[in-house]
Amino acid sequence: EDQVTQSPEALRLQEGESSSLNCSYTVSGLRGLFWYRQDPGKGPEFLFTLYSAGEEKEKERLKATLTKKESFLHITAPKPEDSATYLCAAHGRGGSYIPTFGRGTSLIVHP
Amino acid sequence: DVKVTQSSRYLVKRTGEKVFLECVQDMDHENMFWYRQDPGLGLRLIYFSYDVKMKEKGDIPEGYSVSREKKERFSLILESASTNQTSMYLCASSDSPGQETQYFGPGTRLLVL
Repeated sequence: EDQVTQSPEALRLQEGESSSLNCSYTVSGLRGLFWYRQDPGKGPEFLFTLYSAGEEKEKERLKATLTKKESFLHITAPKPEDSATYLCAAHGRGGSYIPTFGRGTSLIVHP
Repeated sequence: DVKVTQSSRYLVKRTGEKVFLECVQDMDHENMFWYRQDPGLGLRLIYFSYDVKMKEKGDIPEGYSVSREKKERFSLILESASTNQTSMYLCASSDSPGQETQYFGPGTRLLVL
């Protein structure tokens, strides 16, 4: 059974304090690893898709990296507007159309 | 730009009412999904559809049904709403296998009294 575990569940940072969010996955043959941002009361917004170990993608203060067992979302010099819940999902090669989602990391950045 | 829309942002219904939630995507995607999201439980898949008139049960289909008569539209139906169906409902779509990135709608927050 595919599994995705995100840590920590919650993270509080001061503005400018860089950190990383972790997504550990167990899937049979990774087809894609996805990161989303979700603001309170809204739907998840797509950020990145990573396909193979060693791949990295960046967007503003966010950088996503991928290994064979984990993905990290690095946040450099965060701002209060980066506060959100970050969701990770993994899609294996089992033939299903369905990715497996983690429960998310709630990030709060204090000014 | 990718767009998934949901018919309502907020709904208040009474126990026993039949409730319709509609989702429309303009990306010509093959696959569409309905999730519910509850605090501490994450996203849970209710139903999905990989083609017009096709549907598959997800993890928690009980008390729900779906309809997909056109490619761009996927409806979630609560046959007889109950208080434990109070939740945030999220619709998503994705393209055919090989392009599995899901794009989500804004969500419908449903309160059943």
